[in-house]
Amino acid sequence: AQKITQTQPGMFVQEKEAVTLDCTYDTSDPSYGLFWYKQPSSGEMIFLIYQGSYDQQNATEGRYSLNFQKARKSANLVISASQLGDSAMYFCAMRESDSWGKLQFGAGTQVVVTP
Amino acid sequence: NAGVTQTPKFRVLKTGQSMTLLCAQDMNHEYMYWYRQDPGMGLRLIHYSVGEGTTAKGEVPDGYNVSRLKKQNFLLGLESAAPSQTSVYFCASRETANYGYTFGSGTRLTVV
Repeated sequence: AQKITQTQPGMFVQEKEAVTLDCTYDTSDPSYGLFWYKQPSSGEMIFLIYQGSYDQQNATEGRYSLNFQKARKSANLVISASQLGDSAMYFCAMRESDSWGKLQFGAGTQVVVTP
Repeated sequence: NAGVTQTPKFRVLKTGQSMTLLCAQDMNHEYMYWYRQDPGMGLRLIHYSVGEGTTAKGEVPDGYNVSRLKKQNFLLGLESAAPSQTSVYFCASRETANYGYTFGSGTRLTVV
């Protein structure tokens, strides 16, 4: 069963605007971690942000923030002030506590930033 | 530079041929993983290893074998390549006490 769902296959955003990428997850494990990765056209996987299930505050890293709504099992990525270099594929991933560190990925969202 | 190195970066195989993908890390990480990435499906786990000499199956292990004879190397083998194995393969490693992962740059494999 799909544990990570990203419902937006692709989206356009204008430069300097904010964009929210949706991610919902499914787990019965009380201890888990949520990750967002960026994959530009060059192909490498770039870590953006991490949220632990017990973290009290939403994670932030520069222009990236994670809107963590635990009861709704939602972990949306917000990119503020989009830049042309933000054009990429974005993946949400989850690690459960008893999984030997295995990451489960969503299908990804392709973001295109336009001038 | 410390990190995860994958070789080769590109390869074209004929159906039925065999090959081995090498993943090497110099960070003394215990955990290593092989993923494949296909359009519209994200990354899916093939096999993983939680230490030297140990391996386990992931979500999509059929058609692949792995070995971890040395802690720094994790090999992914295709004994008889099939067109369905055309994909981009990523290796990743992780230190047990850290939540972060280090990914290799990927291997683009085409089976014709």
